[in-house]
Amino acid sequence: NAGVTQTPKFQVLKTGQSMTLQCAQDMNHEYMSWYRQDPGMGLRLIHYSVGAGITDQGEVPNGYNVSRSTTEDFPLRLLSAAPSQTSVYFCASSYLGQPWVSAFFGQGTRLTVV
Amino acid sequence: AQTVTQSQPEMSVQEAETVTLSCTYDTSENNYYLFWYKQPPSRQMILVIRQEAYKQQNATENRFSVNFQKAAKSFSLKISDSQLGDTAMYFCAFMNLLGNQFYFGTGTSLTVIP
Repeated sequence: NAGVTQTPKFQVLKTGQSMTLQCAQDMNHEYMSWYRQDPGMGLRLIHYSVGAGITDQGEVPNGYNVSRSTTEDFPLRLLSAAPSQTSVYFCASSYLGQPWVSAFFGQGTRLTVV
Repeated sequence: AQTVTQSQPEMSVQEAETVTLSCTYDTSENNYYLFWYKQPPSRQMILVIRQEAYKQQNATENRFSVNFQKAAKSFSLKISDSQLGDTAMYFCAFMNLLGNQFYFGTGTSLTVIP
């Protein structure tokens, strides 16, 4: 089925460990983004990309890296996990130029940093 | 930057009754898109309804309708004939015309009481 695939669904990390959250879409969307969802704070934009080779920071980028080598994939890297990064992470994608189509979301990753 | 405000953290409604969720936003742009998303316990983000700012007519999708007041920058969601399956977190979201800026409110947790 077409859509946004996020892996893993759950992850527990120790403080200081690194990991990569994977995000892939098969709809040829130009725009991809990562959000974190925390209680009482809604979804906040971490990083986004408007196409392969182009990335930019969102509202809460510190502690996260991204790259976009292909249109399909947009991984999010935590370089040195901290307890403050415990959250639910969502990847989303959409068409640029046709934003009325709205965004497609992955199913989320619940990350716990201990 | 755009901001989206949902001032009702929690709401409840009796089954079959009508409930209205509030959302206000702040933007200097004239054309943009507004959305309501539903997030059930499964965490999946589900698009409920979409409104284009250049359209004066309020959007309607079955039991869901919006009251879009552009001058007041208000975008409320009305759910008619509430059903138990409507129990979820609801997020209001703003997207710019190009589609590369996507901002969310903090959410309203709706409980439908049997």
